[in-house]
Amino acid sequence: DAGVIQSPRHEVTEMGQEVTLRCKPISGHNSLFWYRQTMMRGLELLIYFNNNVPIDDSGMPEDRFSAKMPNASFSTLKIQPSEPRDSAVYFCASSSPGQGPREAFFGQGTRLTVV
Amino acid sequence: RKEVEQDPGPFNVPEGATVAFNCTYSNSASQSFFWYRQDCRKEPKLLMSVYSSGNEDGRFTAQLNRASQYISLLIRDSKLSDSATYLCVVNEGSNYQLIWGAGTKLIIKP
Repeated sequence: DAGVIQSPRHEVTEMGQEVTLRCKPISGHNSLFWYRQTMMRGLELLIYFNNNVPIDDSGMPEDRFSAKMPNASFSTLKIQPSEPRDSAVYFCASSSPGQGPREAFFGQGTRLTVV
Repeated sequence: RKEVEQDPGPFNVPEGATVAFNCTYSNSASQSFFWYRQDCRKEPKLLMSVYSSGNEDGRFTAQLNRASQYISLLIRDSKLSDSATYLCVVNEGSNYQLIWGAGTKLIIKP
């Protein structure tokens, strides 16, 4: 298995532009997480899907952020309009079915720079 | 107060030494605990789960102290390749959400 695949690996965009980050979880995993990591705030959970359904989006900063999971093998995180303070590394992670918290497998991340 | 707190370091340790660091958590109802490792500009990866009775994996030992609400990670005979940031992770209950510490940076020097 190729693991969690994220694209793009790097994104540089101008303030006000729309940004779409993509994630393909590990096949068979039913939980998907979007995280944001910065030096100041560390790793923050943005949203958590279980069986393609958003379970907890309390970490989504504001209405400019939205996430979808149309099927078990694909998810997107969209920022519209983007702002310089959105610059961070965005990680997608997935985990397998089962009771209780399981190991989260991370993608390599998307490094977003908004100028 | 942060839900999960770690000393950010960096811990500068000579190769071969033993190093230990702790992580404290605020929610006494926390149920599951993990240590993840993150290399520079890489994604976090699971290092080990932390069991109530403590557990060991090679040179790594993890301990849980529920009374004082902390977990610890001990690394013996440290290697240069152990240089990384170590993230403490806590699950607080039924929603399976993982709460992440900010990480402790470890630098092993030759």
